[in-house]
Amino acid sequence: GAVVSQHPSRVICKSGTSVKIECRSLDFQATTMFWYRQFPKKSLMLMATSNEGSKATYEQGVEKDKFLINHASLTLSTLTVTSAHPEDSSFYICSARGFEGLGNQPQHFGDGTRLSIL
Amino acid sequence: GQNIDQPTEMTATEGAIVQINCTYQTSGFNGLFWYQQHAGEAPTFLSYNVLDGLEEKGRFSSFLSRSKGYSYLLLKELQMKDSASYLCAVWNTDKLIFGTGTRLQVFP
Repeated sequence: GAVVSQHPSRVICKSGTSVKIECRSLDFQATTMFWYRQFPKKSLMLMATSNEGSKATYEQGVEKDKFLINHASLTLSTLTVTSAHPEDSSFYICSARGFEGLGNQPQHFGDGTRLSIL
Repeated sequence: GQNIDQPTEMTATEGAIVQINCTYQTSGFNGLFWYQQHAGEAPTFLSYNVLDGLEEKGRFSSFLSRSKGYSYLLLKELQMKDSASYLCAVWNTDKLIFGTGTRLQVFP
């Protein structure tokens, strides 16, 4: 089945550091990738949608300059949290959508990244 | 705006049946999905409804009424491992929007 690899799974770093999270589709070409954020005991909140080769579309309230998204190829998207602060600590999950139709699963999820800013 | 609402928490007993409801008001609709998520893990796909009616898949069934903006997930023969969060999500044109999520706790 379709596999999405997200790396790293956990990051702990100091305030002010920029952190890059990678999302790779391993066995299919991802035309679209999605980035979600999840606070403890809350649901997934869509941050942005990225299409290969074009700028990401951010959801309302998400800072573009804070959360930089790059989708340079059909198998890789990156999310960079710039100058991270403790309030950016969260669980970040990516998902990818291929050329296939909606079918049963419109998106395949990565395993998530637990980001902790000290 | 987009509203997808679920009860925050539910409890049930092992072996019982539980129904988790989801109501939605979205600008577009191309299908409704249910996911299971254990703490600290990615969501796992459970079911998909695009037409009205009931879809059955083993111990799990999902129902959709598009006219009412309503869906439910039915879990039968509950097991301890079913303790998790259950997320309803609507495919809205070109993206998946998640509901508020329901934390289910199964007791022995």
